[in-house]
Amino acid sequence: DAKTTQPPSMDCAEGRAANLPCNHSTISGNEYVYWYRQIHSQGPQYIIHGLKNNETNEMASLIITEDRKSSTLILPHATLRDTAVYYCIVRVERGGADGLTFGKGTHLIIQP
Amino acid sequence: NAGVTQTPKFRVLKTGQSMTLLCAQDMNHEYMYWYRQDPGMGLRLIHYSVGEGTTAKGEVPDGYNVSRLKKQNFLLGLESAAPSQTSVYFCASSYSLWQGSGETQYFGPGTRLLVL
Repeated sequence: DAKTTQPPSMDCAEGRAANLPCNHSTISGNEYVYWYRQIHSQGPQYIIHGLKNNETNEMASLIITEDRKSSTLILPHATLRDTAVYYCIVRVERGGADGLTFGKGTHLIIQP
Repeated sequence: NAGVTQTPKFRVLKTGQSMTLLCAQDMNHEYMYWYRQDPGMGLRLIHYSVGEGTTAKGEVPDGYNVSRLKKQNFLLGLESAAPSQTSVYFCASSYSLWQGSGETQYFGPGTRLLVL
């Protein structure tokens, strides 16, 4: 699976959009981009994933650049409850039969 | 649905003691996983299972054993606990026949283990 690079920490004001970047310059054509988050002391939570096209769900939007070498997770109206560590994971979709590889992620702090 | 539950929530062991962590899921998922998370680190896969009666090693399997006798349960055992096994343990499950991809994993709340 391709390696990802994320900033260790970011701040965002409550009510504003939080934009979390992820670099995955060695991504291959059949690798998906997944985002999970982990609120303090809780288990990780799936947010969104995509291959080429931009994706949106009730939690967030995922913007993937045309060359697929980077992506941005957007939380459109951040709240204090969005303070968490966000993990960007790139992997081939192989049925999930071997677990996920988590890096250190980005610690997003939402400021009141 | 309760989702993924873990028992116990917190445990203190002395070096050399044994214990079993229980994970249960009610989503009829085929795959289950055990991860550990050390302070300031991401999760690391210990063992996983792709079905009842099957298990496989992950990234950090040494010192742990697992069993999946029932589809809904995945047990993680420590035969002789060591201080290096002090960690937070997370269980996860994924993939049902209707869901398709198993990449979306659902995690339990974690078990905090302290080995003295």
